[in-house]
Order: sequence, then C-alpha cells, then structure tokens
Amino acid sequence: QQQVRQSPQSLTVWEGETAILNCSYEDSTFNYFPWYQQFPGEGPALLISIRSVSDKKEDGRFTIFFNKREKKLSLHITDSQPGDSATYFCAARPTGANTGKLTFGHGTILRVHP
Amino acid sequence: EAAVTQSPRNKVTVTGGNVTLSCRQTNSHNYMYWYRQDTGHGLRLIHYSYGAGNLQIGDVPDGYKATRTTQEDFFLLLELASPSQTSLYFCASSPRRAEQFFGPGTRLTVL
Repeated sequence: QQQVRQSPQSLTVWEGETAILNCSYEDSTFNYFPWYQQFPGEGPALLISIRSVSDKKEDGRFTIFFNKREKKLSLHITDSQPGDSATYFCAARPTGANTGKLTFGHGTILRVHP
Repeated sequence: EAAVTQSPRNKVTVTGGNVTLSCRQTNSHNYMYWYRQDTGHGLRLIHYSYGAGNLQIGDVPDGYKATRTTQEDFFLLLELASPSQTSLYFCASSPRRAEQFFGPGTRLTVL
C-alpha cells in the first residue's frame, strides 16, 4: 500500500515555464510534508517543507500548495531553470511521531530544457 | 551543515556474500536511517536508530541487519546477499523530528 503518491513520474518543461509536481497521501495523521531534491550521483536534500496548518509555503521560485481536505499538495517551480533538473520526492510524517520517520513517494523526474 | 559520509561508494559482491555498508555523521544527531532507492520505488526505509545501541525496524527490513555502535556510526549488514538487494543505499541523520540529512549513497551490485 503506497501511502504517498506522486505524479507525474517524469515531467519536461522549457526554461522559464512553471513546473507543477503533484503529491497525494492516504494517512490523515500526516501533518508535515517536506520536499526533497536529488541530483544525479547525490543524496536527496531538503528543498522546502510545509505543515498541515498552512495552505501555502513559498521559498523563492518554489511554492507548496496544500489542500488538507483533499489530502493533496503540489510543488510549483516558477521560471524553471536547467539547474532545476533533478528528481523531486514528496515525503510525509505523522503527527506525534517521535522518530522523525518519513514516508517517501516514488519521485518525479524533472527535466528543464534550455 | 550536517555531514554524513558513506563507505564504500561502490561495492560488487556475489550471491551469498557478506557485505557491510558504513555510515558516519559528525553532527551528533540522535537519529540515523538506512534507505534503499530503486527505480519505481523511491526511497524505502530499511532500519533506523534513536542512538547508540538502539535499533528500530523499518518498512523493508528482510535480509538486512543494522547496528549503531556509537552516536556517529551506523552500519548496514547483508549476511547472505541476494541479487534482489542490488540497489542504491542511502544513510541519513537528523535531530529529533527535524530535517534529515543524507549521505552521498553506496551503489551495491550483487551478482
């Protein structure tokens, strides 16, 4: 049972366009949602995160939109750059979890063409 | 910034072989994790630990053992490696309930 789903599996956009990466989840106890960015040959690194008390989080060109009722969130990358080409993982953690344990989606591979 | 290192970076072994993957973090984080990454599966948690001597079972533990010898060091053991364990392995560390910092990964091939 996959608790965190991501779509699409891969996405190609042109430089300057907005890339939209989608994520949905099953477990209503999830309340913290980090997005990790992974470049080839490297480990994932935290990009941006949101808590379920918020519906939007911005950090420069990266924005998370969160819909608690529908259990969906999306990562918008505006003015996409070739350097944004990477794999993006949506993850989730339940409330009350003392472990820091995250459940990851399968990832979206983003390619930005110049 | 947290520093997590892994060794070896690449490993080739044969079916039935004995493999140990090493992870060290230098920021005294309490929590450490072992993941495997496979195409189509994303990151899956194998084992994790709250501190030295502690071990918790993750989501895909079969065929793996782990040991946390110190605050800094976390090892993943494959005692009878199988081809299904060919994968990219990541170690991560975190302070309690905070951002996870990942190492660069170890690519393991089991022939």
